[in-house]
Order: sequence, then C-alpha cells, then structure tokens
Amino acid sequence: EVKVVESGGGLVQPGRSLRLSCVASGFTFDDHAMHWVRQVPGKGLEWVSHIGWDSENIEYAESVKGRFTVSRDNAKNTLYLRMDSLRNEDTGIYYCGRVSVFATAIDHWGQGTRVTVSS
Amino acid sequence: QSVLTQPPSVSGAPGQRITVSCTGSSSNIGAGYDVHWYRQLPGTAPKLLIYDYSRRASGIPDRFSGSKSDTSASLAITGLQVEDEADYYCHSYDSGLNGHVFGSGTKVTVL
Repeated sequence: EVKVVESGGGLVQPGRSLRLSCVASGFTFDDHAMHWVRQVPGKGLEWVSHIGWDSENIEYAESVKGRFTVSRDNAKNTLYLRMDSLRNEDTGIYYCGRVSVFATAIDHWGQGTRVTVSS
Repeated sequence: QSVLTQPPSVSGAPGQRITVSCTGSSSNIGAGYDVHWYRQLPGTAPKLLIYDYSRRASGIPDRFSGSKSDTSASLAITGLQVEDEADYYCHSYDSGLNGHVFGSGTKVTVL
C-alpha cells in the first residue's frame, strides 16, 4: 500500500524554525517527484514547494521563497521541509504529496501535519 | 487570490449533472500546462479525481469527466450523489509564477 506520512508539526513562535518530515512507503520513493501543499483550516489549498526525484527541479511559492527549504533523502525514503523565520500566516495543515510517474498530478497525499505559528 | 478561478459553490439535485469551472490565463491553462482535479471531503486529505484534463484516476467512476477549452478547464459530475458533497480543486502550473497553482476551490452541495 502506498503511504506518505507527515510529522513534525506543532506550535511555534513567530520567527522560529520547524522541520517537517514525510516518510514514504509502499513504492519506490526515488521514482517520484514530491510536493508540499498547505491549507489553512476552512480555506483553500496553497502549493508550497516541489522537488524532483533527484533533488533537482526545486521550486517554491513566492510566499515562502527564501524562508523554506525542501530536501529529500532517498536512502531514507523521506521528504523534508525546513521552515525558517516562521510567520503567523504560515499556520495551517501541511500535506506532502507524491507526483504520479505518468503525469504532473499528485496521486497520493498524506494525512497532513498541523503547524501553528503564534506567540 | 488564486490565478485559477473557480466558483465558490455549485449545487444540484441527486441524479443531475453539474459542472465546475476553472478559469486561468495564457500563463497557465492557456499555455498548455496540464490541469488536474481533486476532491476533498471535510477533515480529510485531497484525493486525485482527474489528471491531464480528462483522464480518470484509478478507481474513479465514469460519472466524473474533465475537459479543456482555451484558458479554462471543467469538471463534470453526472448522476450526482449525496456522497459527492465535497470541495473540489483544480491544479496546474503557471509560467509567470514559476510554480504550481491550485484553484480557489468549489464547494459542491447536493440539494
């Protein structure tokens, strides 16, 4: 069974840092690019970042560029999102998603990890 | 404010056909970037319905279909069912933003 499981969320003060992890199982992790997508509860989806299977083709949303860093460790089947200089508006549920090998769509999503930025 | 605009809500009676639009521009849908559709039930993660405009994801019934026209895309649901009540999002790439984008989302209500 294909699974991606996020962790690392929590309550953090503005200006501080947090690192999210996404552990993949049930498929060959390094065959797939990955995304991070976030959502404020009750609001829409917001794309955050993309990383290719080989850690190339890294892209960020303008709202997080220069503050967030995406990376992956294919030997550990794990995707990361390092979030620095956190702001109140970074609060939300963060999902990792697997990119299909046949298309640019996200064909499997994790259950999400909640990040709350507040003093 | 998303560059992909969807109607905030669409409703229909059981058995009816509804469509959800996703309006973009020449830097995303109009540039030929693929469009995908997801459904999100309350409190759960999104799920892929349609990819590459019109291809159904694994296990998705043929009641769901997708299409494209110029700078917009549409998701159609026929034979509307109560369990179709959810939020629906389109997804594409924008060359002006150099990144992926999601639509603003549409809440589908079954009357």
